[in-house]
Amino acid sequence: GQQVMQIPQYQHVQEGEDFTTYCNSSTTLSNIQWYKQRPGGHPVFLIQLVKSGEVKKQKRLTFQFGEAKKNSSLHITATQTTDVGTYFCAGRGNQFYFGTGTSLTVIP
Amino acid sequence: EPEVTQTPSHQVTQMGQEVILRCVPISNHLYFYWYRQILGQKVEFLVSFYNNEISEKSEIFDDQFSVERPDGSNFTLKIRSTKLEDSAMYFCASSWAVRETQYFGPGTRLLVL
Repeated sequence: GQQVMQIPQYQHVQEGEDFTTYCNSSTTLSNIQWYKQRPGGHPVFLIQLVKSGEVKKQKRLTFQFGEAKKNSSLHITATQTTDVGTYFCAGRGNQFYFGTGTSLTVIP
Repeated sequence: EPEVTQTPSHQVTQMGQEVILRCVPISNHLYFYWYRQILGQKVEFLVSFYNNEISEKSEIFDDQFSVERPDGSNFTLKIRSTKLEDSAMYFCASSWAVRETQYFGPGTRLLVL
């Protein structure tokens, strides 16, 4: 069946360092969404990418959708302690699948 | 800002008992979803609901699960005979259209003993 994997599973960074999480699907996706889940919280929608090769920016966050529409990445520049949480990608292939998530810890 | 609400926030039940989890989606949304998240794991899609019927369901959503929109506001998930492995956080979400932003509720933490 369809799988959506994310790497790394965990990432610890010093405040001010950059962070990237990668999302890879076993099948082509019609779109990709990114969510952030704070510890003990619920997923909160960040962005949706639809077009092949699309790049979108939200302040320090840069999202990219691969040319083959099977992978995506989220890059955070100069992390802050407020960036702590688990970042999930979610994509629609045969069904809507969440990725395995990357848990980000920011050390002040 | 409108938000999805869920009740109860926590539910403890005995194995084999039926539970009903309740959700009030955002009022002008047309698509409703249930997800579950076992502690420390990823979010898993269960079912989507549109126009008073299931539009999509995952392999997890077997015969012990059912969904209903009993009135104009509530959206419920029923688990007929709970098992230990049903212990998880259950999130309801809603969206205006099928590929639009999904807004998640705060979740119901279900513990099956």
